[in-house]
Amino acid sequence: QLQLQESGPGLVKPSETLSLTCTVSGGSINTYTYYWGWIRQPPGRGLEWIGSIYYSGSTSYNPSLKSRLTISVDTSKNQFSLKLSSVTAADTAVYYCAREWYDYSVPRYFDSWGQGTLVAVSS
Amino acid sequence: DFVMTQSPDSLAVSLGERATINCKSSQSVLYSSDNKNYLAWYQQKPGQPPKLLIYWASTRESGVPDRFSGSGSGTDFTLTISSLQAEDVAVYYCQQYYTTPLTFGGGTKVEIK
Repeated sequence: QLQLQESGPGLVKPSETLSLTCTVSGGSINTYTYYWGWIRQPPGRGLEWIGSIYYSGSTSYNPSLKSRLTISVDTSKNQFSLKLSSVTAADTAVYYCAREWYDYSVPRYFDSWGQGTLVAVSS
Repeated sequence: DFVMTQSPDSLAVSLGERATINCKSSQSVLYSSDNKNYLAWYQQKPGQPPKLLIYWASTRESGVPDRFSGSGSGTDFTLTISSLQAEDVAVYYCQQYYTTPLTFGGGTKVEIK
């Protein structure tokens, strides 16, 4: 059974870089069938798609975050990662990683999710 | 960006009664080349990640009870829980995947009356 697990610091200082890794188990990230994505949810609020990556390294980013965002993949470790630079308090959220079905080379819907990790931005 | 608007924000339904959640997209999510609506529904229980319920607007994900159904086309969609169970208490989100950026509705909280 596919499992995704987020890991990384739970506290980041303003202006620094938020870094998270998603480890995939029970299945290979090196598959042509899926993208792998990040979604966040500020406390008590709704969901925001951050961006997604294909095993080949092809990415799709939310334009609202693109200037600060890097998503990468390490197929040898079955992991993909998120880096968000110059963070502010507005970036405080639960960050989820997820598997995404796709077609026409566009990520679509999320069919398997990690449990999420809370990242707070505070000095 | 496609703006997804859900209504109501919350609703309280008696056990065994029907719950209806609406989702409206600012632009059509019906793709003409395949005649499919690029819309999904998720359920999020407290302290848990979202769970995929429905995709292509009306296709239930494997293992989802048949009391959950999706309908609609173009810009207007509905998620119906035909007979509310205690375990259905959650926040429900719609999501368009017609184009990036992928966007979600604001959520509808379903409670027991």
